[in-house]
Amino acid sequence: GESVGLHLPTLSVQEGDNSIINCAYSNSASDYFIWYKQESGKGPQFIIDIRSNMDKRQGQRVTVLLNKTVKHLSLQIAATQPGDSAVYFCAEKNTGNQFYFGTGTSLTVIP
Amino acid sequence: DSGVTQTPKHLITATGQRVTLRCSPRSGDLSVYWYQQSLDQGLQFLIQYYNGEERAKGNILERFSAQQFPDLHSELNLSSLELGDSALYFCASSLRNPGQGAADTQYFGPGTRLTVL
Repeated sequence: GESVGLHLPTLSVQEGDNSIINCAYSNSASDYFIWYKQESGKGPQFIIDIRSNMDKRQGQRVTVLLNKTVKHLSLQIAATQPGDSAVYFCAEKNTGNQFYFGTGTSLTVIP
Repeated sequence: DSGVTQTPKHLITATGQRVTLRCSPRSGDLSVYWYQQSLDQGLQFLIQYYNGEERAKGNILERFSAQQFPDLHSELNLSSLELGDSALYFCASSLRNPGQGAADTQYFGPGTRLTVL
């Protein structure tokens, strides 16, 4: 089956710096990718998504980059704020509409 | 608040028992998804329903079953419970059925924490 893995389990950044969270996926046929944020005691919250026919998508303070050649996904958060501290998951959807999540990266923002 | 409600919030039961988790999607959403989140396996997609019909199946055990009712709420039934079934169970909803290369934003509920003793 598919596997979606994260390179780093934890990441600490200084407030105001940019954060980059990486994710590797294994199914080259996956057609849609999503980043979620999960705060302690809450369910995952959608951040940004990208289709497989794109390589970059920008939102408010967030950018997702997709490199299909190496099957790599990244989430960039600009001007990281204390409220960004959470666990971040990448997820992929395959053509069978099944969703596979990475194990998560814990982001800590240092004031 | 995502608009998705899940009950109960916590559930403690014994091995071998059967439980039912309930989910009410956001108003207007037709798709419901169930996920299991455990410490050792992360978030696992279990199953998805759209307008009452099963549309996608993930890593759902045969001991588990789900359904979506005409009023669009959904129930996840877990039977012959084992210690390893202890986890957070999330329901999410979205407006439409995932399509080719895209999907609607999924809104997650607060989860049901299941503890099997």
